[in-house]
Amino acid sequence: AQSVTQLGSHVSVSEGALVLLRCNYSSSVPPYLFWYVQYPNQGLQLLLKYTSAATLVKGINGFEAEFKKSETSFHLTKPSAHMSDAAEYFCAVSDIYGNKLVFGAGTILRVKS
Amino acid sequence: DTGVSQDPRHKITKRGQNVTFRCDPISEHNRLYWYRQTLGQGPEFLTYFQNEAQLEKSRLLSDRFSAERPKGSFSTLEIQRTEQGDSAMYLCASSPKGGGTGIPYEQYFGPGTRLTVT
Repeated sequence: AQSVTQLGSHVSVSEGALVLLRCNYSSSVPPYLFWYVQYPNQGLQLLLKYTSAATLVKGINGFEAEFKKSETSFHLTKPSAHMSDAAEYFCAVSDIYGNKLVFGAGTILRVKS
Repeated sequence: DTGVSQDPRHKITKRGQNVTFRCDPISEHNRLYWYRQTLGQGPEFLTYFQNEAQLEKSRLLSDRFSAERPKGSFSTLEIQRTEQGDSAMYLCASSPKGGGTGIPYEQYFGPGTRLTVT
């Protein structure tokens, strides 16, 4: 079975600081990995996805993530946080058939001015 | 492309009542998914359809839950005899196509229906 662990349920950074949200996965087969963002009372929006084409994946709003097989990690980063980045972020892994997503518990990002 | 829509956005019901939610996927998306999200947790898969066929159901989907997608377009999720533990956000998503192994297509999520059972 596949699973995702997000380290840190809450992360707080200052505006302009580096954002680092951690995600580790467990999968017996090569995984497909995703990062989604959720703003209050809204659905999930895809930030980026890893599908084995490149280990460094660039997404929307300046976010990127690096797939590290040896560490079973897919951490999300952004060089400079903006107030509008405050939201909840979910890491997810797809099963090998692409039938469903398995999500982590989420990390709430707070950006301080 | 108007996105995935869900109706209603909020539903408050009393324990024991039945409720039904509707999801309209992006047109021409033949896959439709239902997830449930409780406070402080990530979404959990409930079930998915390819066209009108329901291909997988999670163990989370008890006998009180039923989902349909009669013409391969919109879908409904019904919960019978609601319990307080059913209180959650119910999310619908759709994707262009799928089936078999291969790179999964992106799932586009709707805004969700928040259910409160009192």
